Amino acid sequence: GENVEQHPSTLSVQEGDSAVIKCTYSDSASNYFPWYKQELGKGPQLIIDIRSNVGEKKDQRIAVTLNKTAKHFSLHITETQPEDSAVYFCAASPFTGTASKLTFGTGTRLQVTL
Amino acid sequence: GAVVSQHPSRVICKSGTSVKIECRSLDFQATTMFWYRQFPKQSLMLMATSNEGSKATYEQGVEKDKFLINHASLTLSTLTVTSAHPEDSSFYICSASPSPGQIQTQYFGPGTRLLVL
Repeated sequence: GENVEQHPSTLSVQEGDSAVIKCTYSDSASNYFPWYKQELGKGPQLIIDIRSNVGEKKDQRIAVTLNKTAKHFSLHITETQPEDSAVYFCAASPFTGTASKLTFGTGTRLQVTL
Repeated sequence: GAVVSQHPSRVICKSGTSVKIECRSLDFQATTMFWYRQFPKQSLMLMATSNEGSKATYEQGVEKDKFLINHASLTLSTLTVTSAHPEDSSFYICSASPSPGQIQTQYFGPGTRLLVL
């Protein structure tokens, strides 16, 4: 089955700096890679996703890059703000024609300091 | 759009009782919903896949007789924790995939915190 590794487990940046979180996956059949933000005591919130037919996707301060050959994808947050502090999870899933399972990374706790 | 709700948000029960958690997709239909469990400072662990009108598919190690899942409509799935014990205390989260449409995308509910005394 799929295995997703995520690094780093914790990340502390100063407000205004950029943050990068990296994930690798093992199953070449995976073609969908979402990123979720989870605040304390809440459910995960989808913040951006990418499919394997593109290499990069941006949404304001957030971007995701995908390298299919190397089987890794990364989340980039620019101009970080204190409200970006949360746990971020990457995930991967294959296309099966129906709703398919997500395999999650272990999470990255991002702390944005003033 | 793509809002998923869960009820209750928090529940405390006595050991041996059963607890039902509801998961609703509010503005879309979902043939498939998923149930996860999350322990403190850990990732999400998939428990089961819930398909409307058919039996749920459970992950290895998850007792189907203990965690009963019913997906009676395209907007509602329920998880019942039967004969709950303190070790069942956890954060339970559901997700739903829009169908037709973004079948790979999962939108998550806010979670239900269960405490079994």
